[in-house]
Amino acid sequence: EADIYQTPRYLVIGTGKKITLECSQTMGHDKMYWYQQDPGMELHLIHYSYGVNSTEKGDLSSESTVSRIRTEHFPLTLESARPSHTSQYLCASSEPRELYNEQFFGPGTRLTVL
Amino acid sequence: AQKVTQAQTEISVVEKEDVTLDCVYETRDTTYYLFWYKQPPSGELVFLIRRNSFDEQNEISGRYSWNFQKSTSSFNFTITASQVVDSAVYFCALSGDTGRRALTFGSGTRLQVQP
Repeated sequence: EADIYQTPRYLVIGTGKKITLECSQTMGHDKMYWYQQDPGMELHLIHYSYGVNSTEKGDLSSESTVSRIRTEHFPLTLESARPSHTSQYLCASSEPRELYNEQFFGPGTRLTVL
Repeated sequence: AQKVTQAQTEISVVEKEDVTLDCVYETRDTTYYLFWYKQPPSGELVFLIRRNSFDEQNEISGRYSWNFQKSTSSFNFTITASQVVDSAVYFCALSGDTGRRALTFGSGTRLQVQP
């Protein structure tokens, strides 16, 4: 059973606010990922991390930033939210030594910026 | 570069019909992994199946079955005797065996099962 958590599940905020989406996993996985999914659309990788103090940009350009100070924690921050950031954000983790590279997904955060 | 194509944007069937969701992929990796996920209206991704590139055996799990054909780069998913609870968006995904190993998703197929 996957143990990966995201908070909040839903967030509605006004333009210009700073927000942080939390993601935590208790499986000790080194690799973590953030995917963005616009309503009714496919998922795109926006950030990933190989481990502590390692973060990289993904395929889809994003104004968000991430940090990885602890193995279990991979928060995503938007300094100044805009309506174009309205989307669902899904966090995932995987164990690189595991045969199938299965990624475990959190429940997602649905962000609406007014 | 990797690519996953799900040509069917939306499929509508009547309960108890069989339905096949198509997935075609492109990759230069010799070792890779294929996945199917289900996304119900609540938004979470539910893992259904995984396959590695060396295992071309088809698999059946209850009403679900998967047909992996390396020769045509396809990994199709069939639901037998569909039910209303199968209504969801289904995503096919691919990852390589090296580097970041992130998933490349297809655009998804929305399945509507009518009672």
